[in-house]
Amino acid sequence: QVRLVQSGAEVKKPGASVKVSCKASGYTFTDYYIHWVRQAPGEGLEWMGWMNPNSGDTNYAQKFQGRVTMTRDTSISTAYMELSRLTSDDTAVYYCARDSKTNVFDIWGQGTMVTVSS
Amino acid sequence: DIQMTQSPSTLSASVGDRVTITCRASQSISSWLAWYQQKPEKAPELLIYKASTLESGVPSRFSGSEAGTEFTLTISSLQPDDFGTYYCQQYYNYPRTFGQGTKVEFK
Repeated sequence: QVRLVQSGAEVKKPGASVKVSCKASGYTFTDYYIHWVRQAPGEGLEWMGWMNPNSGDTNYAQKFQGRVTMTRDTSISTAYMELSRLTSDDTAVYYCARDSKTNVFDIWGQGTMVTVSS
Repeated sequence: DIQMTQSPSTLSASVGDRVTITCRASQSISSWLAWYQQKPEKAPELLIYKASTLESGVPSRFSGSEAGTEFTLTISSLQPDDFGTYYCQQYYNYPRTFGQGTKVEFK
């Protein structure tokens, strides 16, 4: 079946970077954009940006410009989201989500908890 | 950025109740509105897109409607599996933005 499987939880120190992976299966990886959405503890959902797995093109939310990089490895149907210069405010669950042909998020990864703590 | 405002923030209801959640956009988004359900410790799941189109596999007790910039999610008869937090999201433009969520609790 169609799935997105993310990498495991991470603990990072302030100032470090984190790279989260999102492996797609059950569909053609390059046919659908991948978005990243995060959710701080007890908070709502925040969109971070998208990547076109076919071309590698990206579009980031202004808030994360300069700190986030979304990439992919088509040979293993995997998308990556790297966030640098981490602070405690970046402590959150990070989700990847597939952009359906109707431009909504129809398939989500299980989430990756990133904790930033000294 | 388009602001999405949901109400109420929390809702307490009983099994069988009709439940309504409202989402208001700060500007016109046409019908480019989706609803998601999130259970604790789980990823969100798509319920409705284009304001009123039910995603495949979603029970028919869920429905969506729109009136200008105000959108409504209705659960016709609340079931035990319907607890969780509901989010609206606009996909009229970027950045994609979500409402702050409505938590549905059982009385």
